[in-house]
Amino acid sequence: RKEVEQDPGPFNVPEGATVAFNCTYSNSASQSFFWYRQDCRKEPKLLMSVYSSGNEDGRFTAQLNRASQYISLLIRDSKLSDSATYLCVVTDATSGTYKYIFGTGTRLKVLA
Amino acid sequence: DAGITQSPRHKVTETGTPVTLRCHQTENHRYMYWYRQDPGHGLRLIHYSYGVKDTDKGEVSDGYSVSRSKTEDFLLTLESATSSQTSVYFCAISDLRGDYEQYFGPGTRLTVT
Repeated sequence: RKEVEQDPGPFNVPEGATVAFNCTYSNSASQSFFWYRQDCRKEPKLLMSVYSSGNEDGRFTAQLNRASQYISLLIRDSKLSDSATYLCVVTDATSGTYKYIFGTGTRLKVLA
Repeated sequence: DAGITQSPRHKVTETGTPVTLRCHQTENHRYMYWYRQDPGHGLRLIHYSYGVKDTDKGEVSDGYSVSRSKTEDFLLTLESATSSQTSVYFCAISDLRGDYEQYFGPGTRLTVT
């Protein structure tokens, strides 16, 4: 079982739609959680951190469910510019140093 | 944007030659990482560093070595490049402050022929 699993998609949605991605992780000791966005042939960029209480940044809402070990990202009112791959990331500090475990990403295409 | 640069940005090299990629940061972050990204595999950790001269292996470290003699520089060396090392290489930094976010450099596209 992969440490971080995501549906690869693609999710094809019309402009203005609401779309949600989920991500599951296997290490119950993971402490920090993130969503990154990656455009084609570019570096990943931090979209938002994910907190147990949930957090919102404009049209984006992230949720963490520690009991079920999943993270979600909700995008409302999708824009063409939201088309990208979204990476789920969890941290692993069990070896005493800090590492980040990446999912393979979910590809989103927003259609005009 | 975090101050992270990578050099070179593109490189074509022949099988069997040594190659060194450089990552430079201006953020004074303690942790630095090297990843490779390939279709179907996502980002995989090669090596990482948790301080000057403190490094450790990641999940795909075979054929790679690293060095960190200064806080700002982290070098990745392919000792004898193979075609399987054709990939996009990303450097990243983080620090144990705030949310422990990780920031990435622009990447190096390496082709081994």
